[in-house]
Amino acid sequence: TQLLEQSPQFLSIQEGENLTVYCNSSSVFSSLQWYRQEPGEGPVLLVTVVTGGEVKKLKRLTFQFGDARKDSSLHITAAQPGDTGLYLCAGYPADLSNFGNEKLTFGTGTRLTIIP
Amino acid sequence: DSGVTQTPKHLITATGQRVTLRCSPRSGDLSVYWYQQSLDQGLQFLIQYYNGEERAKGNILERFSAQQFPDLHSELNLSSLELGDSALYFCASSVGGSPYGYTFGSGTRLTVV
Repeated sequence: TQLLEQSPQFLSIQEGENLTVYCNSSSVFSSLQWYRQEPGEGPVLLVTVVTGGEVKKLKRLTFQFGDARKDSSLHITAAQPGDTGLYLCAGYPADLSNFGNEKLTFGTGTRLTIIP
Repeated sequence: DSGVTQTPKHLITATGQRVTLRCSPRSGDLSVYWYQQSLDQGLQFLIQYYNGEERAKGNILERFSAQQFPDLHSELNLSSLELGDSALYFCASSVGGSPYGYTFGSGTRLTVV
C-alpha cells in the first residue's frame, strides 16, 4: 500500500506569514497533485507535477516535486484568510501493473487556518 | 459548477434504512470514484468504476454497493444504515490515469439518526 503522509496535520498562523506543508512517501509516484478543500465542498485541483524536481507556481503558492518523485511540498507566501482549508496531496503510484496507475492515493491532509 | 453533479445534497434518514446517492460525471470522463469523508477526516476511498466496470475497491463495507450505468452515471447504495455511516460522500470523475486530476462533486451529506 502506497501511503502519503502529510505534515503538519494542523497549522494555524497569522495572516501575512509564510508556511510550508509536506507530503512524504516511501513509494515512487508517476505524478502528484495538490487539492484544496473548503468546508462542505469537494476538493479542487490546484496543480499537477510530473517530473522529479519540478517546481510550479500559482500566485503565492509554490509546489515542488521531489527529485526521486517520492515527496512534495507546498509553500505559501504571505498567507491570506482565503487560503484557509484542507490541503490534500495525491499521487498516482508508479505501478506498471494493470490499472496500477489509474487511481490516486490521497494524503492524510493538512488543515490550514489563517488568522486575520 | 465543477461539472460533476451529485444528488441529493443533504439526506437525513433513520438507522436501518437504505439510501441511494447519485453521481453524474463530467462530460467525457469515463472513471467514477466514490469517497467517504467523516467529520474533520481525510478522504476514504470506497470504489472506482471505469466505463461501466468495477476497477478498484477500497474500504467499502458489505452493506454498501455501487454501479455505473451505460450513460456513465453512478449510484452508491447504502443499506442497513448505522449512526457511524453519517458522513460526506463525494463522487469524483476523471479521464482516467496519470497525470489527470479528479473533478469532485459538491458531495452528499448523509445524517443517520
